[in-house]
Amino acid sequence: NAGVMQNPRHLVRRRGQEARLRCSPMKGHSHVYWYRQLPEEGLKFMVYLQKENIIDESGMPKERFSAEFPKEGPSILRIQQVVRGDSAAYFCASSDRGQGAFFGQGTRLTVV
Amino acid sequence: KQEVTQIPAALSVPEGENLVLNCSFTDSAIYNLQWFRQDPGKGLTSLLLIQSSQREQTSGRLNASLDKSSGRSTLYIAASQPGDSATYLCATSSGTYKYIFGTGTRLKVLA
Repeated sequence: NAGVMQNPRHLVRRRGQEARLRCSPMKGHSHVYWYRQLPEEGLKFMVYLQKENIIDESGMPKERFSAEFPKEGPSILRIQQVVRGDSAAYFCASSDRGQGAFFGQGTRLTVV
Repeated sequence: KQEVTQIPAALSVPEGENLVLNCSFTDSAIYNLQWFRQDPGKGLTSLLLIQSSQREQTSGRLNASLDKSSGRSTLYIAASQPGDSATYLCATSSGTYKYIFGTGTRLKVLA
């Protein structure tokens, strides 16, 4: 029973490029969350998704960021036209109803 | 809006000490509370999950308590070891299952 799988673990993008971060939840989990951790800061909620639905995107910047969790395949966090300030660790978590969240190892995005 | 605070922000103790990490939250209408450990440059490892109907959970040298009415949780670490050095995070979940994190306590256990 694999845990939450995120890939890539490290991603380097030039300013203006697109970044795609993938997250496969634990088997049987239908809730997926994305968090961002800026250097020396805490984890900030970005978006909460269930299959084919965005439940809460209150923590996601209105521009350039989008997330999806299709019926088949992993959840994707997409950042268009990346800027240096997007450099951070992006964590995905999954849960089954009320049973606690399990986190992936994160994707460390560096924008150069 | 839920706010989660952790005190102290950093803690340095000699090996073998028992210690307590504190977590407070402003909205007592939580579904559960979870304690995590994060090592530098790594992901989060779940330590203990306390459902809203529970008062405490134990795992090995770790014990977490929950007092919803006062908006507090504590993580007790017995006989601390250098391997316990990490950042400890607490997070609350409401009925929507969204987790709100505290800012963490950076623990260093000295050999």
